[in-house]
Amino acid sequence: DIQMTQSPHSLSASLGETVSIECLASEGISNYLAWYQQKPGKSPQLLIYYASSLQDGVPSRFSGSGSGTQYSLKISNMQPEDEGVYYCQQGYKYPFTFGSGTKLEIK
Amino acid sequence: EVQLVESGGGLVQPGRSLKLSCAASGFTFSDYNMAWVRQAPTKGLEWVASISYGGSNTHYGDSVKGRFTISRDNAKSTLYLQMDSLRSEDTATYYCARPRYYGSYNWFAYWGQGTLVTVSS
Repeated sequence: DIQMTQSPHSLSASLGETVSIECLASEGISNYLAWYQQKPGKSPQLLIYYASSLQDGVPSRFSGSGSGTQYSLKISNMQPEDEGVYYCQQGYKYPFTFGSGTKLEIK
Repeated sequence: EVQLVESGGGLVQPGRSLKLSCAASGFTFSDYNMAWVRQAPTKGLEWVASISYGGSNTHYGDSVKGRFTISRDNAKSTLYLQMDSLRSEDTATYYCARPRYYGSYNWFAYWGQGTLVTVSS
């Protein structure tokens, strides 16, 4: 199975700040990488797919990059509604696997 | 509007069975691969199973293989998850999820609200 190592486990950011979350796959996943945001008590929301494609309706301050085994999610101009837990997920091969999550809070 | 509504969760004893349902609407259900993803209390997301649009191909996570069965009824626009030999570690909120577009299966753009399964004596 492909292991997804996500970092950091948690971080806090000030409004307007830019933050990055990293995801490392245990083997190459050819950009088959998605990012999700989950708020307390809510279902996950797809933000980015195929490593860098922005899902419909997601603000452009979210962006994804990476290749091979290393991927990252960048949130520019941090907003209050960006608080939540972020997960990466590889969709390259079964079984699909998620990262352990990054909790993002406002400082 | 795409809607996925799960049902069937509840309290069940270890070793017993439970069947979850996911009623889909707002799209042509038979065109889409579908999946179940779960989340244990205060834990992260875990993909459980996926099924092809016609139902002929299924895939399972290692932790549920041989115990859970994913199926679908396209005439009823409903996805199912039959869970047998339940264990305490199966306690989780179970989400029904749909990929972003038909033909895709890699990531999930639509999620239900989830149904909680608690396995305890």
